[in-house]
Amino acid sequence: AQSVTQPDIHITVSEGASLELRCNYSYGATPYLFWYVQSPGQGLQLLLKYFSGDTLVQGIKGFEAEFKRSQSSFNLRKPSVHWSDAAEYFCAVGPNFGNEKLTFGTGTRLTIIP
Amino acid sequence: NAGVTQTPKFQVLKTGQSMTLQCAQDMNHEYMSWYRQDPGMGLRLIHYSVGAGITDQGEVPNGYNVSRSTTEDFPLRLLSAAPSQTSVYFCASSFGGYTGELFFGEGSRLTVL
Repeated sequence: AQSVTQPDIHITVSEGASLELRCNYSYGATPYLFWYVQSPGQGLQLLLKYFSGDTLVQGIKGFEAEFKRSQSSFNLRKPSVHWSDAAEYFCAVGPNFGNEKLTFGTGTRLTIIP
Repeated sequence: NAGVTQTPKFQVLKTGQSMTLQCAQDMNHEYMSWYRQDPGMGLRLIHYSVGAGITDQGEVPNGYNVSRSTTEDFPLRLLSAAPSQTSVYFCASSFGGYTGELFFGEGSRLTVL
């Protein structure tokens, strides 16, 4: 069965600092991997996704993520965070066929301090 | 451009009551799904549908029913609410095939007393 682990429940960073959110997955075949962001009181929005090819993927809002098969990881990064990046971030894994039956991690809440 | 619309946004029920959470999308998406979000547990899939007339169970289907009579609508029914069903519920849809991009509604917060 597929699963996702986000080891950091809550991260606090200063505005302008770099960010890395960790995600580890378990899946028997080549996974499809995603990062979603949830602003307070809102639904989730897709930041980026990895299906195949270049292991460094670019997303919206200046985010990027790197797929490392050897480490079963798909960490999200941003070189310089803005106060508007404060939100909850979810990593997800899905099968590479059929439907959008995604398995989500438990999320990492990001707080930005001035 | 409405996207995915969920109603109601808030609801309080007593144990044993029934209710339906409504979900409608205007993007002609084939795939629709319901998730529940609980603190420390992320989102868990309740039921999903790959098209009108087709539904299937997700990870946590017990206590919930769904139907998909039209492409646009995917209601979630709680037949006899329990306190364990207190949660925030999200409906999501996508084009189908496989794009990985789910479009989410804003959520419905349900409290069962």
